[in-house]
Amino acid sequence: QKEVEQNSGPLSVPEGAIASLNCTYSDRVSQSFFWYRQYSGKSPELIMSIYSNGDKEDGRFTAQLNKASQYVSLLIRDSQPSDSATYLCAVTNAGKSTFGDGTTLTVKP
Amino acid sequence: DGGITQSPKYLFRKEGQNVTLSCEQNLNHDAMYWYRQDPGQGLRLIYYSQIVNDFQKGDIAEGYSVSREKKESFPLTVTSAQKNPTAFYLCASCATANTEAFFGQGTRLTVV
Repeated sequence: QKEVEQNSGPLSVPEGAIASLNCTYSDRVSQSFFWYRQYSGKSPELIMSIYSNGDKEDGRFTAQLNKASQYVSLLIRDSQPSDSATYLCAVTNAGKSTFGDGTTLTVKP
Repeated sequence: DGGITQSPKYLFRKEGQNVTLSCEQNLNHDAMYWYRQDPGQGLRLIYYSQIVNDFQKGDIAEGYSVSREKKESFPLTVTSAQKNPTAFYLCASCATANTEAFFGQGTRLTVV
C-alpha cells in the first residue's frame, strides 16, 4: 500500500462544474496536508494547506480533512479550462513530505 | 525578489559521470528538499535538510549525495552509481518543517 494514494485519473469535467479530488494516507500521525497544482513541464505550486479537521475555503477551492478516516480532499467549484493540470496531494510528518502520484484534471470548455 | 533558484534548467550526463545540480534560496528558509519526478508520477524524496550541516536520506537516496554548508544552498550530486538518473529534479524549501514547500523551476537531467 502506498503511503499517499490519490484517486486514479484522468478526471474530466465540463467548464463550470465541480471537480472533486481525493487523497488517503497511511501515517496516522501526519501533521500537515497540502494540495499542489502542477502544469505540464513546470514545478508544483501550492493551492491549499490544511492542518486541522474540517473544511478550509479559499476562493473557488475547498480543502477537507478527516484525520479519523485519514482522508483529505480538494473541491474546485466553477472549474475553468485554466484549472487543467495535475493535482498533487502531499502529507507531512516530522519535516518529511510524501506525495501522491497526482490526479490529472481536464476542464473542457 | 525572494525565491528558489535551480540551475541548470537542462543537463546532459555521459555514462559514468558525476554531475551536480545547484539549488539556492533567499527566503531564509530552514528546510530544503530534493525530489525526483519521473513521467506520469509524483515526487519522490531523495534527501532533505532541516538545518545547516545536517541532512537525512529520503526514500530513494542511493546514488545521490548532498551537502548543506550554508543555509541558502543545498546542491545535489548525481553519482555514477545512480543507474537510471534521467528524470526531472525539483528542489524545494520550507520556512520550517511541516509548512508548505516552495519549488524551484526544476532541472531536467538526461543521460546520453
